[in-house]
Amino acid sequence: AQSVAQPEDQVNVAEGNPLTVKCTYSVSGNPYLFWYVQYPNRGLQFLLKYITGDNLVKGSYGFEAEFNKSQTSFHLKKPSALVSDSALYFCAVSPSSGGSYIPTFGRGTSLIVHP
Amino acid sequence: DADVTQTPRNRITKTGKRIMLECSQTKGHDRMYWYRQDPGLGLRLIYYSFDVKDINKGEISDGYSVSRQAQAKFSLSLESAIPNQTALYFCATMTGTGALNEQFFGPGTRLTVL
Repeated sequence: AQSVAQPEDQVNVAEGNPLTVKCTYSVSGNPYLFWYVQYPNRGLQFLLKYITGDNLVKGSYGFEAEFNKSQTSFHLKKPSALVSDSALYFCAVSPSSGGSYIPTFGRGTSLIVHP
Repeated sequence: DADVTQTPRNRITKTGKRIMLECSQTKGHDRMYWYRQDPGLGLRLIYYSFDVKDINKGEISDGYSVSRQAQAKFSLSLESAIPNQTALYFCATMTGTGALNEQFFGPGTRLTVL
């Protein structure tokens, strides 16, 4: 069975500092990996995904994520945090072959960027 | 107009009542999903449908049923609501086959069962 772990319930960072939101996964075979963001009173919004190829993936709003196969990780990063980045972030994984291709989501990490 | 819409956005109901949450999409996607979100538990899949004739249970389908009335419409019903079904419910869509495409989420329905 596939699973996602987001080890931090909350990440606090000062505006202008770099941020990292951690995600590790478990899946049979090669993974498809996703990050979504949820702003208050809104649905989830796609940020970026890793399918294949370059391990560094760039997405919306200046976010990027690095796929590390040996560590089974897909951490979300941004070089300089903004107060407006404060939101709930979800990592998700799907198997690239076999199964029903249903994504599994992590429990979410609340990012708080302080002015 | 939003691509994925959910009605109602908020609903308060009483234990034992039947309630239906509706989802409509204009994206033309075949795949539709219903999730519930609870604090600290993330998103959990209730039901999903890959086309009008295809309905599948997710990890927490007990107490819920669904109907795929058309490609664009996917409804979630609680036949007899109970307080632990109080949660935020999301509908989502996805295009294509396999799993390499992202999902598109509706704005959510906040359901409170008293």
